[in-house]
Amino acid sequence: DAGVTQSPTHLIKTRGQHVTLRCSPISGHKSVSWYQQVLGQGPQFIFQYYEKEERGRGNFPDRFSARQFPNYSSELNVNALLLGDSALYLCASSSTGVGNSPLHFGNGTRLTVT
Amino acid sequence: GENVEQHPSTLSVQEGDSAVIKCTYSDSASNYFPWYKQELGKRPQLIIDIRSNVGEKKDQRIAVTLNKTAKHFSLHITETQPEDSAVYFCAATYSGGSNYKLTFGKGTLLTVNP
Repeated sequence: DAGVTQSPTHLIKTRGQHVTLRCSPISGHKSVSWYQQVLGQGPQFIFQYYEKEERGRGNFPDRFSARQFPNYSSELNVNALLLGDSALYLCASSSTGVGNSPLHFGNGTRLTVT
Repeated sequence: GENVEQHPSTLSVQEGDSAVIKCTYSDSASNYFPWYKQELGKRPQLIIDIRSNVGEKKDQRIAVTLNKTAKHFSLHITETQPEDSAVYFCAATYSGGSNYKLTFGKGTLLTVNP
């Protein structure tokens, strides 16, 4: 079985641009979460979607948005990019929408904002 | 919200020695505590987890202990090997809510010297 897949693996953008990151969960998993990992820090929660509904939102500005599609894949959008948005963006999936099943991470998208 | 503190930030041991990483959490409602291992440039991988209804869990050379009263939990690795070298993250969440949000510690860089 394929794990959580994310695309692209690397991305370089300029300040003010927008970016779309994509994620496909493990087959059968209905919950997708997004985390931001700044160098030297632990992952920080951005969003969670379950069955296409937003279940949780972290402390991130409105420039960050996400959605989940009928096939349970997901997109994370970031508008008006800032230098501080440079980070590894991790997608994770789980079979349920709550913490009674393990959370599995993808390899992430490395975003560099110049 | 939940806050997770992790210590030490770096840990260097000789091959064959034991390693202990400690975490404290602030929200007494948290009841699920996973540990992730992240090798350089790779995804965080779940290595062991514990729920608040048990005090200790072991899987071969890895064990986790939980003290609910003190709100701290620890990862123990025995007979360390060079391939154990990585960044380890602890995390906490409440699994009975409507979402699945992990709060991570800042990580511990473990180096096992041959």
